[in-house]
Amino acid sequence: DSGVTQTPKHLITATGQRVTLRCSPRSGDLSVYWYQQSLDQGLQFLIQYYNGEERAKGNILERFSAQQFPDLHSELNLSSLELGDSALYFCASSVGAGETQYFGPGTRLLVL
Amino acid sequence: AQSVTQPDIHITVSEGASLELRCNYSYGATPYLFWYVQSPGQGLQLLLKYFSGDTLVQGIKGFEAEFKRSQSSFNLRKPSVHWSDAAEYFCAVGAPNNAGNMLTFGGGTRLMVKP
Repeated sequence: DSGVTQTPKHLITATGQRVTLRCSPRSGDLSVYWYQQSLDQGLQFLIQYYNGEERAKGNILERFSAQQFPDLHSELNLSSLELGDSALYFCASSVGAGETQYFGPGTRLLVL
Repeated sequence: AQSVTQPDIHITVSEGASLELRCNYSYGATPYLFWYVQSPGQGLQLLLKYFSGDTLVQGIKGFEAEFKRSQSSFNLRKPSVHWSDAAEYFCAVGAPNNAGNMLTFGGGTRLMVKP
């Protein structure tokens, strides 16, 4: 158990819908990262927050957005969902911006 | 931009045999290097990491990896594989800077263990 929690574990929704994935980092960690794992693209970095501020952006679609709240938990919002958004979404956290990342169990999203 | 290549998509070894999983990276300076393991339906567990110093690093579950700058490699090894090691292994490179520390992952190597 890494100490990073993600909810929900599984999510099934329809195309065009919007969902919110939630992540609670390890106690004391200020940085949160979101990654997407899909069969065709592998593991890809989406976005990073550090102490409430966006720090780095990767291959994140405009339909996706994230934020980190004052209590340091983070949410990833996915809207106008497409079939291709079906994937495993991981959250990771680290103490600082350049430290070891510890991953949560992931949220498996299925878009039908 | 950094990149990671794991040349072997699948590897099958017999239980008790030694294991080496290959990882090659591309990065302009000395990167941070990581190996993670993912069991079926599970998240990513950190096996070991290299930031600096001794180029041979020890990790959990009896794994070790060696950083070879001249070969841009960070291969993962284990002297004797157990059936519970069957999983997918990911090599990753991090490039910390003022902007953050996004990880770039290789495509993964799926390890199967024969009894």
